[in-house]
Amino acid sequence: ETGVTQSPTHLIKTRGQQVTLRCSSQSGHNTVSWYQQALGQGPQFIFQYYREEENGRGNFPPRFSGLQFPNYSSELNVNALELDDSALYLCASSLASGTYEQYFGPGTRLTVT
Amino acid sequence: DAKTTQPPSMDCAEGRAANLPCNHSTISGNEYVYWYRQIHSQGPQYIIHGLKNNETNEMASLIITEDRKSSTLILPHATLRDTAVYYCIVRAAAGNMLTFGGGTRLMVKP
Repeated sequence: ETGVTQSPTHLIKTRGQQVTLRCSSQSGHNTVSWYQQALGQGPQFIFQYYREEENGRGNFPPRFSGLQFPNYSSELNVNALELDDSALYLCASSLASGTYEQYFGPGTRLTVT
Repeated sequence: DAKTTQPPSMDCAEGRAANLPCNHSTISGNEYVYWYRQIHSQGPQYIIHGLKNNETNEMASLIITEDRKSSTLILPHATLRDTAVYYCIVRAAAGNMLTFGGGTRLMVKP
């Protein structure tokens, strides 16, 4: 157990809809990173939030957006869902940005039909 | 971040040491080597990381060659619960993301 929680566990959406995924970081961690993991592949970095500001972004379109709240919990929002957005979405928290180890939550499995 | 190369799969007998190799020949001086593992359908689990010295913790040992172009993760007494995909990741000191490759699928057999 890493102390990182995510909700919901599973979600089914229709193409074109919008979705919000949530993450609570480990106590004391001010940095949250989000990753997308398609079936059979390694996780791909979406973006990172550090002290409520976006602190780096991977190769994902603007319809992937996020927020970090004063308590350091975070949301990932995806607009205009596409079939290829079906994946396991992982969040990871760390003590700070930089080389601190990231601790992952169990993920949210999103299916887009 | 430097690219890593790992064998796609390995087997290990239960109770024996599992030695997982990783090649990172283009690693830079300020890049760390991280190891994570992912058990089926769970989030990745941090194992260990190092810069140039060998490291050991309660889970594993990390051996980094003197030229830093390769490393080996050692699980000293593998158990069935160590069956997972193991990812070797090279990450810059100021980097904020983990770049996962294909990893090594370790199967521990009775």
